Amino acid sequence: AQSVTQLGSHVSVSEGALVLLRCNYSSSVPPYLFWYVQYPNQGLQLLLKYTSAATLVKGINGFEAEFKKSETSFHLTKPSAHMSDAAEYFCAVSVNTGFQKLVFGTGTRLLVSP
Amino acid sequence: DSGVTQTPKHLITATGQRVTLRCSPRSGDLSVYWYQQSLDQGLQFLIQYYNGEERAKGNILERFSAQQFPDLHSELNLSSLELGDSALYFCASSVPGRNEQFFGPGTRLTVL
Repeated sequence: AQSVTQLGSHVSVSEGALVLLRCNYSSSVPPYLFWYVQYPNQGLQLLLKYTSAATLVKGINGFEAEFKKSETSFHLTKPSAHMSDAAEYFCAVSVNTGFQKLVFGTGTRLLVSP
Repeated sequence: DSGVTQTPKHLITATGQRVTLRCSPRSGDLSVYWYQQSLDQGLQFLIQYYNGEERAKGNILERFSAQQFPDLHSELNLSSLELGDSALYFCASSVPGRNEQFFGPGTRLTVL
């Protein structure tokens, strides 16, 4: 079975500071990994995905994530936080069958202060 | 806008009642997934349909059922509702062979 662990239910940064949201996965087969963002009272929007091509994945809104097999990690980063980045971020894993459910982490709420 | 639509946006009902949530996938997507988001359980997969057939089941209660119709829209039926069923219910859709899911805006169910 697959699972993901997100370290830190809340992360606070100042505007302009580096954003680092941590995700570790567990999977017995090569995983597909995703980061989704959820703004208040909205659905989930796909930020980026890892599907066994490049290990450094660039997404929307300046976010990127690096797949590290040796560390079973897929941390999300952004060099400079913006106030509009304040939201909840979910890491998710699935396996390569094309029709698999997503298994989500518990989410990390990003708070950005001016 | 993901292209996935869900109705209604909000639903308030009483314990013991039955409700139906509706989802229309993106044009061309054959797979529909239902997820429940609650404070205590987080985001959990409920059930998946592909082109009208059930493909996978997750932590879906026996009081809950779903179906996907020939036009590919899907309905999630929740019956004998309990206070603990209050949650956000999301629908997602995907294209065959593409391992990414697009989520609708969700239906917020409140059971009083």
